[in-house]
Amino acid sequence: QKEVEQNSGPLSVPEGAIASLNCTYSDRVSQSFFWYRQYSGKSPELIMSIYSNGDKEDGRFTAQLNKASQYVSLLIRDSQPSDSATYLCAVNMRGSSYKLIFGSGTRLLVRP
Amino acid sequence: SAVISQKPSRDICQRGTSLTIQCQVDSQVTMMFWYRQQPGQSLTLIATANQGSEATYESGFVIDKFPISRPNLTFSTLTVSNMSPEDSSIYLCSVVEGMGHQPQHFGDGTRLSIL
Repeated sequence: QKEVEQNSGPLSVPEGAIASLNCTYSDRVSQSFFWYRQYSGKSPELIMSIYSNGDKEDGRFTAQLNKASQYVSLLIRDSQPSDSATYLCAVNMRGSSYKLIFGSGTRLLVRP
Repeated sequence: SAVISQKPSRDICQRGTSLTIQCQVDSQVTMMFWYRQQPGQSLTLIATANQGSEATYESGFVIDKFPISRPNLTFSTLTVSNMSPEDSSIYLCSVVEGMGHQPQHFGDGTRLSIL
């Protein structure tokens, strides 16, 4: 079992729809969870960080964390073609506050 | 957040040569890391660059192949030694500012091709 798992996609949604991206992780003691967006040929860009159970909203983005079920998700409301990118889920490594394990990423395609 | 400058942005190198990649930050940072991202793959952590001491390498990466320096809190280098085509990849520097569970921020990366 991979430590951080994501569906590779592509996830295709129409413009204006809600895109839902999911991530599961294996280490129960993980405490830090991050979503990065990576456009083709570019470096990852931090979108959201979440540390506590529940929802965290920032503009069109909502991160959801459920530690009991060991999953974290990212919702993108009113999806735009410019949201088309690969979304990487990252979780802190056991024993480290700073080192991250990345999932393989989900490719999102927003159709105009 | 900190401005991270990584160079070169890309290079094409001959088999058997070495290349040093630089990562410069405009402010002091707590942690610096080096990653590799192979084509179509996710990010793999190579090592943590420790200020004033030897880097901490992840499983599968060794100092002889990827020597790392971090002479101060704003600068680090990664050398890819004795390169082979399998080393063709994007190499990324990332930094953490502050303490505790802080996110990492990435430089623009170095796209390396080995002929």
